[in-house]
Amino acid sequence: KAGVTQTPRYLIKTRGQQVTLSCSPISGHRSVSWYQQTPGQGLQFLFEYFSETQRNKGNFPGRFSGRQFSNSRSEMNVSTLELGDSALYLCASRPGPGGGELFFGEGSRLTVL
Amino acid sequence: SQKIEQNSEALNIQEGKTATLTCNYTNYSPAYLQWYRQDPGRGPVFLLLIRENEKEKRKERLKVTFDTTLKQSLFHITASQPADSATYLCALGASGGSYIPTFGRGTSLIVHP
Repeated sequence: KAGVTQTPRYLIKTRGQQVTLSCSPISGHRSVSWYQQTPGQGLQFLFEYFSETQRNKGNFPGRFSGRQFSNSRSEMNVSTLELGDSALYLCASRPGPGGGELFFGEGSRLTVL
Repeated sequence: SQKIEQNSEALNIQEGKTATLTCNYTNYSPAYLQWYRQDPGRGPVFLLLIRENEKEKRKERLKVTFDTTLKQSLFHITASQPADSATYLCALGASGGSYIPTFGRGTSLIVHP
Protein backbone atom coordinates (compact mmCIF):
# COMPACT_ATOMS: atom_id res chain seq x y z
CA LYS A 1 0.00 0.00 0.00
CA ALA A 2 1.42 3.36 -0.99
CA GLY A 3 1.97 5.83 1.84
CA VAL A 4 0.85 9.42 2.16
CA THR A 5 2.26 11.49 -0.69
CA GLN A 6 2.88 15.19 -0.40
CA THR A 7 3.91 17.55 -3.18
CA PRO A 8 5.97 19.55 -3.63
CA ARG A 9 8.64 18.46 -1.16
CA TYR A 10 10.46 21.77 -1.21
CA LEU A 11 9.50 25.22 -2.31
CA ILE A 12 10.68 28.78 -1.93
CA LYS A 13 8.32 31.73 -2.06
CA THR A 14 8.56 35.43 -1.31
CA ARG A 15 6.47 37.44 1.11
CA GLY A 16 3.04 38.28 -0.17
CA GLN A 17 2.80 35.32 -2.53
CA GLN A 18 0.45 32.42 -2.06
CA VAL A 19 1.15 28.69 -2.08
CA THR A 20 -0.83 25.49 -2.57
CA LEU A 21 0.31 22.18 -1.14
CA SER A 22 -1.10 18.82 -2.09
CA CYS A 23 -1.64 15.60 -0.17
CA SER A 24 -2.72 12.18 -1.37
CA PRO A 25 -3.75 9.96 1.54
CA ILE A 26 -3.34 6.24 1.86
CA SER A 27 -5.89 4.42 -0.26
CA GLY A 28 -9.08 3.95 1.73
CA HIS A 29 -8.29 6.68 4.23
CA ARG A 30 -10.93 9.37 4.24
CA SER A 31 -9.59 11.64 6.97
CA VAL A 32 -6.79 14.05 6.17
CA SER A 33 -5.17 16.39 8.69
CA TRP A 34 -2.63 19.14 8.18
CA TYR A 35 0.04 20.23 10.64
CA GLN A 36 2.65 22.96 10.65
CA GLN A 37 5.99 22.12 12.23
CA THR A 38 8.54 24.74 13.27
CA PRO A 39 11.48 24.47 15.65
CA GLY A 40 9.92 26.99 18.02
CA GLN A 41 6.34 25.73 18.14
CA GLY A 42 6.58 22.06 17.30
CA LEU A 43 3.70 20.36 15.52
CA GLN A 44 0.67 22.63 15.36
CA PHE A 45 -2.70 21.38 14.09
CA LEU A 46 -4.12 23.32 11.15
CA PHE A 47 -7.29 21.48 10.12
CA GLU A 48 -8.85 18.11 9.44
CA TYR A 49 -11.06 17.07 6.56
CA PHE A 50 -13.33 14.07 6.33
CA SER A 51 -15.61 13.30 3.41
CA GLU A 52 -14.87 16.69 1.86
CA THR A 53 -15.95 18.56 5.00
CA GLN A 54 -13.72 20.43 7.40
CA ARG A 55 -14.33 18.81 10.77
CA ASN A 56 -11.85 20.61 12.94
CA LYS A 57 -9.72 23.71 12.72
CA GLY A 58 -6.70 24.83 14.67
CA ASN A 59 -5.82 28.30 15.81
CA PHE A 60 -4.44 29.74 12.59
CA PRO A 61 -5.44 32.90 10.70
CA GLY A 62 -7.81 32.81 7.78
CA ARG A 63 -4.87 32.99 5.37
CA PHE A 64 -4.60 29.25 5.91
CA SER A 65 -7.29 27.29 4.14
CA GLY A 66 -7.82 23.84 2.79
CA ARG A 67 -10.15 21.56 0.96
CA GLN A 68 -10.71 17.91 0.27
CA PHE A 69 -11.83 16.32 -2.94
CA SER A 70 -14.16 13.39 -3.50
CA ASN A 71 -11.18 11.04 -3.91
CA SER A 72 -9.97 12.14 -0.42
CA ARG A 73 -7.00 14.04 -1.81
CA SER A 74 -6.49 17.32 -0.03
CA GLU A 75 -4.92 20.66 -0.67
CA MET A 76 -3.99 23.47 1.65
CA ASN A 77 -3.44 27.05 0.64
CA VAL A 78 -1.61 29.84 2.36
CA SER A 79 -2.22 33.33 1.01
CA THR A 80 -0.22 36.51 1.57
CA LEU A 81 2.79 34.61 2.82
CA GLU A 82 4.75 35.93 5.77
CA LEU A 83 8.29 35.09 6.85
CA GLY A 84 6.87 33.25 9.84
CA ASP A 85 5.06 30.82 7.56
CA SER A 86 8.38 29.14 6.80
CA ALA A 87 7.90 25.63 8.12
CA LEU A 88 7.50 21.97 7.36
CA TYR A 89 3.88 21.31 6.45
CA LEU A 90 2.82 17.78 7.22
CA CYS A 91 -0.21 15.94 6.01
CA ALA A 92 -1.52 12.89 7.85
CA SER A 93 -4.25 10.46 6.97
CA ARG A 94 -6.26 7.86 8.85
CA PRO A 95 -9.27 5.72 7.96
CA GLY A 96 -11.75 7.96 9.80
CA PRO A 97 -11.91 10.79 12.29
CA GLY A 98 -12.45 8.70 15.39
CA GLY A 99 -8.94 8.58 16.75
CA GLY A 100 -6.15 6.12 16.18
CA GLU A 101 -2.77 6.47 14.63
CA LEU A 102 -1.90 9.09 12.08
CA PHE A 103 0.03 8.18 8.95
CA PHE A 104 2.21 11.12 8.00
CA GLY A 105 3.69 12.10 4.67
CA GLU A 106 7.24 13.34 4.32
CA GLY A 107 6.11 16.95 4.36
CA SER A 108 6.46 20.03 2.22
CA ARG A 109 9.28 22.31 3.29
CA LEU A 110 8.24 25.91 2.64
CA THR A 111 10.75 28.73 2.83
CA VAL A 112 9.45 32.30 2.64
CA LEU A 113 12.01 34.94 1.74
CA SER B 1 -4.32 26.18 29.39
CA GLN B 2 -3.54 22.71 28.10
CA LYS B 3 0.12 21.89 28.04
CA ILE B 4 2.19 18.90 26.97
CA GLU B 5 5.78 18.89 28.14
CA GLN B 6 8.65 16.84 26.84
CA ASN B 7 12.26 17.40 27.81
CA SER B 8 13.74 19.85 25.33
CA GLU B 9 17.26 18.73 26.14
CA ALA B 10 18.61 15.84 24.13
CA LEU B 11 18.98 12.52 25.90
CA ASN B 12 22.39 10.97 25.34
CA ILE B 13 22.86 7.31 26.24
CA GLN B 14 25.25 4.48 25.48
CA GLU B 15 24.30 1.66 23.17
CA GLY B 16 22.73 -1.24 25.02
CA LYS B 17 21.26 0.88 27.80
CA THR B 18 17.58 1.64 28.32
CA ALA B 19 16.40 5.03 27.18
CA THR B 20 13.52 6.58 29.10
CA LEU B 21 11.65 9.57 27.74
CA THR B 22 9.01 11.52 29.62
CA CYS B 23 5.78 13.18 28.57
CA ASN B 24 3.91 15.28 31.14
CA TYR B 25 0.62 17.04 30.59
CA THR B 26 -1.61 19.49 32.42
CA ASN B 27 -5.24 20.57 32.06
CA TYR B 28 -5.99 17.58 29.89
CA SER B 29 -8.26 14.56 30.02
CA PRO B 30 -6.73 12.34 27.37
CA ALA B 31 -8.62 9.39 25.95
CA TYR B 32 -5.36 8.06 24.59
CA LEU B 33 -1.70 8.86 24.25
CA GLN B 34 0.52 8.08 21.29
CA TRP B 35 4.25 8.03 20.70
CA TYR B 36 5.83 8.83 17.35
CA ARG B 37 9.36 8.78 16.05
CA GLN B 38 10.62 11.48 13.72
CA ASP B 39 13.87 11.48 11.80
CA PRO B 40 15.35 14.76 10.49
CA GLY B 41 13.45 16.07 7.47
CA ARG B 42 10.91 13.24 7.60
CA GLY B 43 7.35 12.92 8.79
CA PRO B 44 6.60 11.33 12.18
CA VAL B 45 6.06 7.59 12.28
CA PHE B 46 3.59 6.04 14.72
CA LEU B 47 5.04 3.70 17.34
CA LEU B 48 2.54 2.96 20.09
CA LEU B 49 -0.88 3.96 21.38
CA ILE B 50 -2.04 3.54 24.96
CA ARG B 51 -5.56 4.26 26.17
CA GLU B 52 -6.59 5.97 29.38
CA ASN B 53 -7.65 2.72 31.01
CA GLU B 54 -4.35 0.97 30.22
CA LYS B 55 -1.29 1.16 32.44
CA GLU B 56 1.34 -0.30 30.16
CA LYS B 57 1.86 -1.32 26.55
CA ARG B 58 4.76 -3.17 24.98
CA LYS B 59 5.97 -3.70 21.45
CA GLU B 60 9.27 -5.46 20.88
CA ARG B 61 11.91 -3.29 22.61
CA LEU B 62 9.44 -0.50 23.32
CA LYS B 63 7.38 0.00 26.45
CA VAL B 64 4.97 2.79 27.29
CA THR B 65 3.37 3.52 30.64
CA PHE B 66 0.48 5.85 31.24
CA ASP B 67 -0.29 7.27 34.69
CA THR B 68 -3.40 9.47 34.57
CA THR B 69 -2.98 10.36 38.26
CA LEU B 70 0.53 11.70 37.75
CA LYS B 71 -0.48 12.97 34.29
CA GLN B 72 2.59 11.36 32.83
CA SER B 73 3.69 8.84 30.25
CA LEU B 74 7.08 7.17 30.16
CA PHE B 75 8.50 5.74 26.94
CA HIS B 76 11.25 3.16 27.27
CA ILE B 77 13.54 1.71 24.62
CA THR B 78 15.47 -1.27 25.94
CA ALA B 79 18.80 -2.42 24.53
CA SER B 80 19.04 0.85 22.62
CA GLN B 81 20.93 1.03 19.34
CA PRO B 82 22.44 3.94 17.39
CA ALA B 83 19.62 3.43 14.86
CA ASP B 84 17.18 4.46 17.61
CA SER B 85 18.60 7.99 17.49
CA ALA B 86 15.73 10.28 16.51
CA THR B 87 13.23 12.72 17.98
CA TYR B 88 10.35 11.12 19.85
CA LEU B 89 7.01 12.90 20.06
CA CYS B 90 4.14 12.20 22.38
CA ALA B 91 0.62 13.11 21.35
CA LEU B 92 -2.57 13.23 23.40
CA GLY B 93 -6.08 12.76 22.13
CA ALA B 94 -8.78 14.29 24.31
CA SER B 95 -11.89 12.41 25.34
CA GLY B 96 -15.32 13.45 24.19
CA GLY B 97 -13.98 15.57 21.43
CA SER B 98 -12.67 15.42 17.96
CA TYR B 99 -9.88 12.97 18.81
CA ILE B 100 -7.42 15.27 17.12
CA PRO B 101 -4.09 14.49 18.80
CA THR B 102 -2.10 17.37 20.22
CA PHE B 103 1.64 16.93 20.03
CA GLY B 104 4.44 17.72 22.40
CA ARG B 105 7.59 19.29 20.97
CA GLY B 106 9.55 16.08 21.21
CA THR B 107 12.75 14.90 22.80
CA SER B 108 15.86 14.11 20.82
CA LEU B 109 17.48 10.77 21.66
CA ILE B 110 21.11 10.16 20.75
CA VAL B 111 22.47 6.65 21.21
CA HIS B 112 26.24 6.48 21.19
CA PRO B 113 28.01 3.33 19.97
